[in-house]
Amino acid sequence: AQTVTQSQPEMSVQEAETVTLSCTYDTSESNYYLFWYKQPPSRQMILVIRQEAYKQQNATENRFSVNFQKAAKSFSLKISDSQLGDTAMYFCAYAKYSSASKIIFGSGTRLSIRP
Amino acid sequence: EAGVTQFPSHSVIEKGQTVTLRCDPISGHDNLYWYRRVMGKEIKFLLHFVKESKQDESGMPNNRFLAERTGGTYSTLKVQPAELEDSGVYFCASSQETGANNEQFFGPGTRLTVL
Repeated sequence: AQTVTQSQPEMSVQEAETVTLSCTYDTSESNYYLFWYKQPPSRQMILVIRQEAYKQQNATENRFSVNFQKAAKSFSLKISDSQLGDTAMYFCAYAKYSSASKIIFGSGTRLSIRP
Repeated sequence: EAGVTQFPSHSVIEKGQTVTLRCDPISGHDNLYWYRRVMGKEIKFLLHFVKESKQDESGMPNNRFLAERTGGTYSTLKVQPAELEDSGVYFCASSQETGANNEQFFGPGTRLTVL
């Protein structure tokens, strides 16, 4: 069975710093999707970034980038120049390429950005 | 465009009572998903509708949970009778197309507390 592990329950950094959130996963599939979702306090969860496993190039979205290490089954999220609005729960997630539906989530990392 | 909406935002009930959660997906989205997060743990998939049909209900914990999507629009998730371990946040998501490459848009969640 596929699993997603986030080993950092909480993190806190100063505004403008760079922070990296860790995520590892386990799967026997060769092709799949990996995601980072963000849930700000009292707000809806939104997709931050998505990576397709067959693509070598790491995905980036503005200040958000990933370090995808397929052999190590690692998928970390780097947030550059962190802003107060980045304060949120961050969930790492996985879905099989052929999956019609099911997204498998990690337990989340609560990130606080200090002014 | 309105996002995914869920009602109620919070529900507090006694053990043994019945609760019905409602989800309104984004208009035109045939795919509707239910997930839940038990306190501090990972978000777990419950089931997936395509229009009014259950595509995948492998995550439904037991027969105390009943999901419906009559007419292929909004969906309800009924818990009857509720148990203490049912407490958590229930998320609904919708997507236009089926497949892991299609972004799921999440609602704000319903926080259920069973006393």
